[in-house]
Formats: sequence, structure tokens, C-alpha cells
Amino acid sequence: AQSVTQLDSQVPVFEEAPVELRCNYSSSVSVYLFWYVQYPNQGLQLLLKYLSGSTLVESINGFEAEFNKSQTSFHLRKPSVHISDTAEYFCAVSDHGSSNTGKLIFGQGTTLQVKP
Amino acid sequence: DAGITQSPRHKVTETGTPVTLRCHQTENHRYMYWYRQDPGHGLRLIHYSYGVKDTDKGEVSDGYSVSRSKTEDFLLTLESATSSQTSVYFCAISESPYFRDRGSYEQYFGPGTRLTVT
Repeated sequence: AQSVTQLDSQVPVFEEAPVELRCNYSSSVSVYLFWYVQYPNQGLQLLLKYLSGSTLVESINGFEAEFNKSQTSFHLRKPSVHISDTAEYFCAVSDHGSSNTGKLIFGQGTTLQVKP
Repeated sequence: DAGITQSPRHKVTETGTPVTLRCHQTENHRYMYWYRQDPGHGLRLIHYSYGVKDTDKGEVSDGYSVSRSKTEDFLLTLESATSSQTSVYFCAISESPYFRDRGSYEQYFGPGTRLTVT
């Protein structure tokens, strides 16, 4: 069964520093990959996604993630974080195999704490 | 924002009572999902629906049932609530997970329902 591992439960970082949130998934079959962000007391919002094509995907607010098939990873990075980036981040995978139900498997989440 | 509402937003109930949570969408999306969010577990799929009256189990379906009689509504029922079902419940919708349909693939989430079972 597919699984997703987010290697850090909490990542504290100072404002304007770079950050990387790590995500590994288990399956080597064709997958779609997503990063969602959850601000306090809110639902999840899609941050970025990899479906096919270029392995580097970007969001509108400066985050990027790179799909690495050989390492089954989809790490999220930002070169300079802001206080407003403080949130919980979830990596998720959906395999587009025979079931095609669109089910997402989520990682445990990583809390990004940006300090002034 | 996708038009997804959940009701109630907060509920406290006693062990053994039935509870129904409602998810309502105005996007006419075919797929709907119920997740629960617990610390250290991320989100886990409870049940999902791929059309009116078409539902299937997720990874943590024990103790839960669902119904979908209209495209826009997806109900989650706890037949007899237990303390282990204290959680935040999220509904999500998806236009189409099928790559060849060139749908949106991603899921859009509602604001969540915080359920406490005492």
C-alpha cells in the first residue's frame, strides 16, 4: 500500500532563511504528488502539484518542489521564508493506477514555525 | 475558493449517541471525500463517493457510514460515537481524478468540523 513520510514533524526557522520540508513516498508506480498548506483553524489549501512534465514545480508565493523519481521524494523548498508562512504543510500522493479513484494518501504533516 | 460548506462546525456529543456531519458543495463535482485529521497522523480517508449513491470505504471506515442522495450533499454518520472518534473532520471534493479526462486532479477542502465525544 502507498505511504507518505514527512521526515520532520516540526521545522523552526528564522525569517528570511531558506527552508526545506522533506517528503518521501513508498510506491514506484506512476503518481501524482501534492503539497497542501493548512493555516491555523482553517482547511487545507493546495500549494502546488506535480502531475507530469517538468520535475520542478512552483507556487505563486515562492515555494517550489522537485519530483525525484529515483529517490521517491518530493521535497518542498523556499529560499526565504516570511512570518506568514507559519503553518502546517502536508505532502500527499495519489496513484493513477487501475483504481483511479483520486484517493489521496497524506503524510503526517510538518509544522513550519517562522521566527522573527 | 471552492464552494464547500460543512455543518456543524463544532459539536460536542456524548459517547453512544449518533452524530451526522454534513458536507455541501456548489461546484457540481463528482467526487467527494471524508477525512479525519489527528495529530501525528495527518489526514486519513474515511469514505469517499464517486457519484450519487456510489460510495466506498477508505482506510479508517470502521464506525462510520456515509450517504449521498444528491450530487451536492455527502453525509457522514457516526452510528454510536466513541471517544476515539474525537477529531477534526474534513470534507473534500474533486472534479475528476482521471488524467485522461483532463480534470483538476486536486482536491478542494472544506473548513472542517471539530467533533468532541465525551
